Amino acid sequence: EDKVVQSPLSLVVHEGDTVTLNCSYEVTNFRSLLWYKQEKKAPTFLFMLTSSGIEKKSGRLSSILDKKELFSILNITATQTGDSAIYLCASSTGTASKLTFGTGTRLQVTL
Amino acid sequence: NAGVTQTPKFQVLKTGQSMTLQCAQDMNHEYMSWYRQDPGMGLRLIHYSVGAGITDQGEVPNGYNVSRSTTEDFPLRLLSAAPSQTSVYFCASSYSSGSGGPRDTQYFGPGTRLTVL
Repeated sequence: EDKVVQSPLSLVVHEGDTVTLNCSYEVTNFRSLLWYKQEKKAPTFLFMLTSSGIEKKSGRLSSILDKKELFSILNITATQTGDSAIYLCASSTGTASKLTFGTGTRLQVTL
Repeated sequence: NAGVTQTPKFQVLKTGQSMTLQCAQDMNHEYMSWYRQDPGMGLRLIHYSVGAGITDQGEVPNGYNVSRSTTEDFPLRLLSAAPSQTSVYFCASSYSSGSGGPRDTQYFGPGTRLTVL
């Protein structure tokens, strides 16, 4: 059975802190690892990672994949209150790119 | 582009009633899927389609039917609603599936919050 595990489940930080969110996966026919941000409604796409060791970056957010150790991390530097959300990690597998999601990390950024 | 749209936004049903959740996309995406999101469970795949006329089951298909008669639309039917189907339902779509590249990125609709009493 495909499995994606995220840690921590929840996190409270102060504005300006740096956070690291973790995602490990055990899946067959791995294609890619995706990160999504979910505020009140639909998950919005952040990153797709397919190759080991290549960092994807967008502003204060960055992510990297380790295909040997089967994990990915999402870093957020200089956090802002607008970063408060649930961060979802998903593995895309098989020929139909079915997504298997982790349960998410709930991040709260306080002033 | 409107992207992925879903209707209704909210719905309350009684046990045993049937209904259809609508999903449409205007991006000419081949791949469409339905997920449900429950507290502490993440998103779980219900059904998916790799193109018009082709559908398959995901992780939690029981109690749900789908069809894909056009590229744009992918409705989800609840045959006989049960309280266990109380959830938030998301539809998603992508250009393709299986290439392992950016065209696999799935984009989500705004969701339908369903309550079954």
